[in-house]
Amino acid sequence: AQSVTQLGSHVSVSEGALVLLRCNYSSSVPPYLFWYVQYPNQGLQLLLKYTSAATLVKGINGFEAEFKKSETSFHLTKPSAHMSDAAEYFCAVSETGFQKLVFGTGTRLLVSP
Amino acid sequence: DTAVSQTPKYLVTQMGNDKSIKCEQNLGHDTMYWYKQDSKKFLKIMFSYNNKELIINETVPNRFSPKSPDKAHLNLHINSLELGDSAVYFCASTTSGGGEKLFFGSGTQLSVL
Repeated sequence: AQSVTQLGSHVSVSEGALVLLRCNYSSSVPPYLFWYVQYPNQGLQLLLKYTSAATLVKGINGFEAEFKKSETSFHLTKPSAHMSDAAEYFCAVSETGFQKLVFGTGTRLLVSP
Repeated sequence: DTAVSQTPKYLVTQMGNDKSIKCEQNLGHDTMYWYKQDSKKFLKIMFSYNNKELIINETVPNRFSPKSPDKAHLNLHINSLELGDSAVYFCASTTSGGGEKLFFGSGTQLSVL
């Protein structure tokens, strides 16, 4: 069965600093991988997804993630953090065509001025 | 127009009561889900329906009964509510096939007293 591990329940950065949120996955077949963002009192929104095309995936709001099969990782990065990036970020993996998404435990990104 | 809408947004009730949460999507999707997010923000899939047919049923107590009257609706009925049912419940929808993104509703915060 597929699973996702997100290292660090909280990540704190200063505005303008690099954002790095870590995600490692486990899957018995080539996976689909996703990053979702959740703002307070809202549902989740897709940031980006990997579906076996380019290994470097660009998403919305300047975020990108790189699929590394050898490391079973799909870390999320953004070169320069903005205050509006403060939110909960979830990595997710899916193997099946019917989208049984399995989520990680989430990482809260805190951005200080 | 809200793509995935859930009602109610907040639900406060006593132990032992029966309650329902409604979900509707106007995106023309054929697959809908219920996810439960606990107090630690962990998201776990409960059910998935494709074209009104149940395709995913995780280890959820049978007090929880989903109902899909048509492709655009997936309601969740909960009998004999327990304290541990307190959580945020998210409805989501997508098109079937691999790698498609999920569209989430804004959630229903259920508090069982």
